[in-house]
Amino acid sequence: DTEVTQTPKHLVMGMTNKKSLKCEQHMGHRAMYWYKQKAKKPPELMFVYSYEKLSINESVPSRFSPECPNSSLLNLHLHALQPEDSALYLCASSLEAVTSYEQYFGPGTRLTVT
Amino acid sequence: AQSVSQHNHHVILSEAASLELGCNYSYGGTVNLFWYVQYPGQHLQLLLKYFSGDPLVKGIKGFEAEFIKSKFSFNLRKPSVQWSDTAEYFCAVNRDDKIIFGKGTRLHILP
Repeated sequence: DTEVTQTPKHLVMGMTNKKSLKCEQHMGHRAMYWYKQKAKKPPELMFVYSYEKLSINESVPSRFSPECPNSSLLNLHLHALQPEDSALYLCASSLEAVTSYEQYFGPGTRLTVT
Repeated sequence: AQSVSQHNHHVILSEAASLELGCNYSYGGTVNLFWYVQYPGQHLQLLLKYFSGDPLVKGIKGFEAEFIKSKFSFNLRKPSVQWSDTAEYFCAVNRDDKIIFGKGTRLHILP
């Protein structure tokens, strides 16, 4: 199984809502990532988890809160988002969080903030 | 600033034409290089990767890329494109445990 799954596929939320994005992989990977991708732009790294610990936070606003409950799951909790946060949110995983391993991407959650 | 540059933002070709997409990076030292593809409505998929060894790497679907260290380049090639190759192509560098993507090249193949 070389698949990274993400739920939901689409999410529409108001600026006062709290919602969560979920990512799951069963490849035994110990590194998981969140990316944000705006239309016609490349993915931008948000967070890196290595062995269930946050190792990189690319200065992401606190309204985005990641969580790694176990080695297979990665969540992104959303609260008080702004319309400019509307984007495709991608999850990825790799065997380890080092440069020599490729990342496998999920299909993404398309988020619209109204 | 350290970056990954893709020269062509939008490329239009006819089927059976040859393809070359340029990619340059500005990082010194050891880097790992990738080309990812994003077909319409689908998720990012790895086309090929270079870590070390033979600078000419072959990937899936008939794609190949050549790493030229002296030119800091990692260009993607395919001798004969198909309509199904219509997609967005991203060059990427993995350094300091991060993947940095280029801005992407939108490839449109005319049937």
